[in-house]
Amino acid sequence: EPEVTQTPSHQVTQMGQEVILRCVPISNHLYFYWYRQILGQKVEFLVSFYNNEISEKSEIFDDQFSVERPDGSNFTLKIRSTKLEDSAMYFCASSETLAVTYEQYFGPGTRLTVT
Amino acid sequence: DQQVKQNSPSLSVQEGRISILNCDYTNSMFDYFLWYKKYPAEGPTFLISISSIKDKNEDGRFTVFLNKSAKHLSLHIVPSQPGDSAVYFCAASPGGGADGLTFGKGTHLIIQP
Repeated sequence: EPEVTQTPSHQVTQMGQEVILRCVPISNHLYFYWYRQILGQKVEFLVSFYNNEISEKSEIFDDQFSVERPDGSNFTLKIRSTKLEDSAMYFCASSETLAVTYEQYFGPGTRLTVT
Repeated sequence: DQQVKQNSPSLSVQEGRISILNCDYTNSMFDYFLWYKKYPAEGPTFLISISSIKDKNEDGRFTVFLNKSAKHLSLHIVPSQPGDSAVYFCAASPGGGADGLTFGKGTHLIIQP
């Protein structure tokens, strides 16, 4: 069964450093998303991406964040200058386009630890 | 600002009995509702969904009920099995493909043998 994959599974970085989290969405999906879950809190939407541009973004997704689809398979989230409060699980998700249902399929997540 | 609320942080149910997980929402723009299951150190796994034009959707042991006037939905699992022990998240969407999901805080379901 097709699945969303994410790398790395765990990333440790120092405050102020740039990190890139990588995702490979399900191959026939055209909508891509990033979410995060801070420890003990709920899963929060960051951004959605369609047709090579951002479709929606939340208040969390400020200028420190960017997304890119550098090739036909990868989807990346970049945090330019990490802060302690960026420590969280980051989930990538994808969904089919033009579907009558709106299920999003999630990857296993990347645990980001900012020290 | 909790647009999607799951008021029970945990629920313990005996194996073989029915598990009922509840979810309330406040945003009338939500048009599509989903339930996800999550094990530790894994991503959320899609379980079942329902459109606002329906009041019930069933898939095997899982049934979701939607009461739009009460802005309430519930997930029924019957019979409950040990592998159902996980955190269950209710999520809602305005219904567009690009829309992010709004999640509740989750309910930890524990199935007792």
